Amino acid sequence: NAGVTQTPKFQVLKTGQSMTLQCAQDMNHEYMSWYRQDPGMGLRLIHYSVGAGITDQGEVPNGYNVSRSTTEDFPLRLLSAAPSQTSVYFCASTPPGGNTEAFFGQGTRLTVV
Amino acid sequence: GENVEQHPSTLSVQEGDSAVIKCTYSDSASNYFPWYKQELGKGPQLIIDIRSNVGEKKDQRIAVTLNKTAKHFSLHITETQPEDSAVYFCAASRGYGQNFVFGPGTRLSVLP
Repeated sequence: NAGVTQTPKFQVLKTGQSMTLQCAQDMNHEYMSWYRQDPGMGLRLIHYSVGAGITDQGEVPNGYNVSRSTTEDFPLRLLSAAPSQTSVYFCASTPPGGNTEAFFGQGTRLTVV
Repeated sequence: GENVEQHPSTLSVQEGDSAVIKCTYSDSASNYFPWYKQELGKGPQLIIDIRSNVGEKKDQRIAVTLNKTAKHFSLHITETQPEDSAVYFCAASRGYGQNFVFGPGTRLSVLP
């Protein structure tokens, strides 16, 4: 019963490098999302997906790309890392129906130097 | 768009006392209000939620109240214990498939 799994847990990047944060869920949830968490700012939505093949932008999408080729996976790509992208990133998934609770992964702490 | 404010940003209470965290929201169409607890190094975890057709909900030591007219909702924790120490986030949503907007968080410290 893994739930939402994020990898890696920690990552250090140099400015300009690219990387992909992985997110997988085994609960067959259609709705998945990515948030970044910065001190004093709560969680801010980066991108979300309502199902395979469908993605959309959230509040802070600049510098990030996503794709959703399967129900299970929702990777987040940093195209050219910048120090402003230093943050903790959380992936979440939400079950269908009336229960709208979001299940979060453990997070990826990213530092861009 | 929706804006969620949360107060206080930090809260210290003595073990056994009660703690109250308050949130306000701006979008009258929001109808789902969850509260999440985040422990150090972990992802947020739902502790209680309330929908707009309900004014109050209780689960053991935790309760949430909602005032739709004033657009505010509150988390109440009674008989606090050291394991209640964490960061708490409120959020608002228009419902399934709609995005959450989170408050900035409250760091609760329960002193033994």
